[in-house]
Amino acid sequence: QVQLQQSGAELVKPGTSVKLSCKASGYTFTSNHMNWIKQTTGQGLEWIGIINPGSGGTSYNVKFKGKATLTVDKSSSTAFMQLSSLTPEDSAVYYCARGTIMDAWGQGASVTVSS
Amino acid sequence: DVVLTQTPPTLSATIGQSVSISCRSSQSLLHSNGNTYLHWLLQRPGQSPQLLIYSVSRLESGVPNRFSGSGSGTDFTLKISGVEAEDLGVYYCVQGTHAPWTFGGGTKLELK
Repeated sequence: QVQLQQSGAELVKPGTSVKLSCKASGYTFTSNHMNWIKQTTGQGLEWIGIINPGSGGTSYNVKFKGKATLTVDKSSSTAFMQLSSLTPEDSAVYYCARGTIMDAWGQGASVTVSS
Repeated sequence: DVVLTQTPPTLSATIGQSVSISCRSSQSLLHSNGNTYLHWLLQRPGQSPQLLIYSVSRLESGVPNRFSGSGSGTDFTLKISGVEAEDLGVYYCVQGTHAPWTFGGGTKLELK
């Protein structure tokens, strides 16, 4: 069955970067786009962007341009999201979700930005 | 950005009761290709969201048929015909017609 396994919780300091991973299994990785979504109590669910694993092509929410960078490693069927220049406002749970209808979700990765 | 407004924010129901959730969009969600990319998700407590309904009314595989979706343009509805205990959680609508994709604020379904 389709599974998206995300990396674990991160506690990071302001101003640093973090790279989250999402390992796909149970389907052909390059056949479906991969989304990244941010969830906070205050702002709810926010779409960060999407990547085409086959071509590496990306599309970002303008709000997250410069903050998030999406990449993939086709050899390991893994999608990555790097978040840079972290501030406390980046503290959230981040999800990867498959395809244009988000039909499979990872378990989420908690990122806490604190000094 | 497209704003999706869900009502009610909280819904109290008894087991077996039928309920509806509304999702209204600030713009038509009819894409130029003729499709409408409005989907419904359920997030159970402590879990990731899961897809229930896609493209307004198409039931995701494995989702019970007590869930149904309807609507067009800017007004959409999710109906649960006979709430079961496993249906409790927060329901979200999400649109993928206009970039950036956006989510509704959620409707929390709880037991009365």
